[in-house]
Amino acid sequence: QVQLVESGGGVVQPGRSLRLSCAASGFTFSDYALHWVRQAPGKGLEWVAIISYDGRNKYYADSVKGRFTISRDNSKNTLYLQMNSLRVEDTALYYCARVLLGTSWSTLDYWGQGTLVTVSS
Amino acid sequence: QSVLTQPPSASGTPGQRVTISCSGSTSNIGSNTVNWYQHLPGTAPKLLIYSNNQRPSGVPDRFSGSKSGTSASLAISGLQSEDEAVYYCAAWDDSLNGHVVFGGGTTLTVL
Repeated sequence: QVQLVESGGGVVQPGRSLRLSCAASGFTFSDYALHWVRQAPGKGLEWVAIISYDGRNKYYADSVKGRFTISRDNSKNTLYLQMNSLRVEDTALYYCARVLLGTSWSTLDYWGQGTLVTVSS
Repeated sequence: QSVLTQPPSASGTPGQRVTISCSGSTSNIGSNTVNWYQHLPGTAPKLLIYSNNQRPSGVPDRFSGSKSGTSASLAISGLQSEDEAVYYCAAWDDSLNGHVVFGGGTTLTVL
């Protein structure tokens, strides 16, 4: 079955960096576009970034543009999110999610359980 | 302030029909399809409705979606206690080189 497992979260000081990973299994990873979506404590879902199936196309939310980089390694079935210059407001549970084939890039059909990032001094 | 506007809360009694609205603009709902997600605390969000009105396998037909112009709505009929959750609408937005926009979420309470 489809599985997405995030890792790499933790507590980090403002201004530092962190890299999140999302290990995928149960489907042909290289066929699917993938997202990162986050949820700050007590807040709603906020889209972060998307990468196309081949890694050529990437889009970012304005709130993370220039600081975060989404990437993927199709040989390792893994999605990444490199987060630099972290801010307190980046504190959130970060989910990776898969795009349903043949639909809009806003259609996320499988989600991981999330990894928690806390930015605090 | 979310790009897509949803009411913060909704409620109903078991068996009742409830609708949740989602208002956007021409760059998102007006030109792209709408999806709905159900989010229960401590779990991963679940795709409930995609492409405006399609249900993924396993989603009961009590859930339905519709879209008109720059607005969309989710309807839940035969309300059950397990429907208590936060519901989000989402769409692709063509502005600013393209991005995904979510609604702020609607907390549904089953009284």
